[in-house]
Amino acid sequence: GENVEQHPSTLSVQEGDSAVIKCTYSDSASNYFPWYKQELGKRPQLIIDIRSNVGEKKDQRIAVTLNKTAKHFSLHITETQPEDSAVYFCAPMDSNYQLIWGAGTKLIIKP
Amino acid sequence: EPEVTQTPSHQVTQMGQEVILRCVPISNHLYFYWYRQILGQKVEFLVSFYNNEISEKSEIFDDQFSVERPDGSNFTLKIRSTKLEDSAMYFCASSAQVYEQYFGPGTRLTVT
Repeated sequence: GENVEQHPSTLSVQEGDSAVIKCTYSDSASNYFPWYKQELGKRPQLIIDIRSNVGEKKDQRIAVTLNKTAKHFSLHITETQPEDSAVYFCAPMDSNYQLIWGAGTKLIIKP
Repeated sequence: EPEVTQTPSHQVTQMGQEVILRCVPISNHLYFYWYRQILGQKVEFLVSFYNNEISEKSEIFDDQFSVERPDGSNFTLKIRSTKLEDSAMYFCASSAQVYEQYFGPGTRLTVT
């Protein structure tokens, strides 16, 4: 089955700086790559996703890049703000159309 | 903006009891899911449901679990005989296509 790894497990950045979280996966048939944000005690919230026919997608301060050859995709957040503090999960979809979740990255924005 | 809703927000039950967790998916969505998240851990897939039948289920979703869409709006998860290790947050999700799954606020299940 799909093996998903996320790095780093914790990321602390100064407010205004950029943050990058990387996700590697094993199933070469994966073709859908979402990122979810989860604030403490809240639901996972879909923040951006990408299909395998594109290499990059951007939505304001958030972007996702995909390298299918290397089987990894990354979340980029620019100009970080306090409200970006949360746990971020990658969840690539496997060949059975199941989202396989990474272990999460705790993003801390320092004022 | 339409959202997935879940009831109750918190359920406390004794070991061996049956529980039913309820979800109302977004109205024009066709795919429905249950996930669970043990405190501080990653989200785990339980089951997906489409066209009134289970399309995929994980190893966690054993004979103790069942799902049902009893009417045009509700989607339920039943655990027949709860165990201590079933304590977790249970999330329902729905999607119009197989992608872009939107999650409900969750039901925190505590088994004592």
